[in-house]
Amino acid sequence: GQQVMQIPQYQHVQEGEDFTTYCNSSTTLSNIQWYKQRPGGHPVFLIQLVKSGEVKKQKRLTFQFGEAKKNSSLHITATQTTDVGTYFCAGRTGTYKYIFGTGTRLKVLA
Amino acid sequence: SQTIHQWPATLVQPVGSPLSLECTVEGTSNPNLYWYRQAAGRGLQLLFYSVGIGQISSEVPQNLSASRPQDRQFILSSKKLLLSDSGFYLCAWSPRDTGNTIYFGEGSWLTVV
Repeated sequence: GQQVMQIPQYQHVQEGEDFTTYCNSSTTLSNIQWYKQRPGGHPVFLIQLVKSGEVKKQKRLTFQFGEAKKNSSLHITATQTTDVGTYFCAGRTGTYKYIFGTGTRLKVLA
Repeated sequence: SQTIHQWPATLVQPVGSPLSLECTVEGTSNPNLYWYRQAAGRGLQLLFYSVGIGQISSEVPQNLSASRPQDRQFILSSKKLLLSDSGFYLCAWSPRDTGNTIYFGEGSWLTVV
C-alpha cells in the first residue's frame, strides 16, 4: 500500500540549533501538506506545497517539495522551545485521501 | 467560521464493550470527513473517509466501522473493543474542493482495559 515515511523519528536539539525532517512517499503525490502537533494536542496545518521543486518559507521554517513530487523536507532555523512537537507531512494520493507520514518528534533543550 | 466538535474527549472501556465516537462539523456544507487513529507516540493512521452521506471508504480492515447519517455528522463505532483499539482518535474535515487543508478535532483518548 501507499506509505509516507519520515526521518528521523525523534530529534533532540539544543535551542538555537537547526532541525530538518524529511518525508518520503512510495508514490507520486498531488500535493503535500505539513502539520504540527503539540504534545497532547491535535495536528494543526502549517503549509501546502503543490508544484514540483516548490520552496516556501514561514519565518524560521523552510518547506521544500521534491522535483519528482515524492519527497519533501521541513527545515527550522535556530530552533526555539516553542518549536517542540511532532511534525507530520501528509500527501494527497487521491481526490480526497491524505496519507500522513510517520511523524518526527522534536524536542528542544533550553 | 467553521468548527469541528468531537466527543467524548476521553473514555475508558472494557474489552468487548461497544464504542461510539461522534463528530460534527459546523459552518460548512458537503465536507469531506475523516477518522484517524494515533497510537501512543506514533503517526496518524487513516481509518475511514467519507465524501457524502452514507458514503464510507475504509482504509484498514478492523473491527471498527464508520457511518455518516447526516451531512456534517461522522460516527466511529465498534461492537466489541479489543485492547489494540486503544489510542487517540481524531476526526477531521476538509472542504469539498480538492487539495485543501484538513482541520482536526480535539481528539478522543480511548483506553481499552
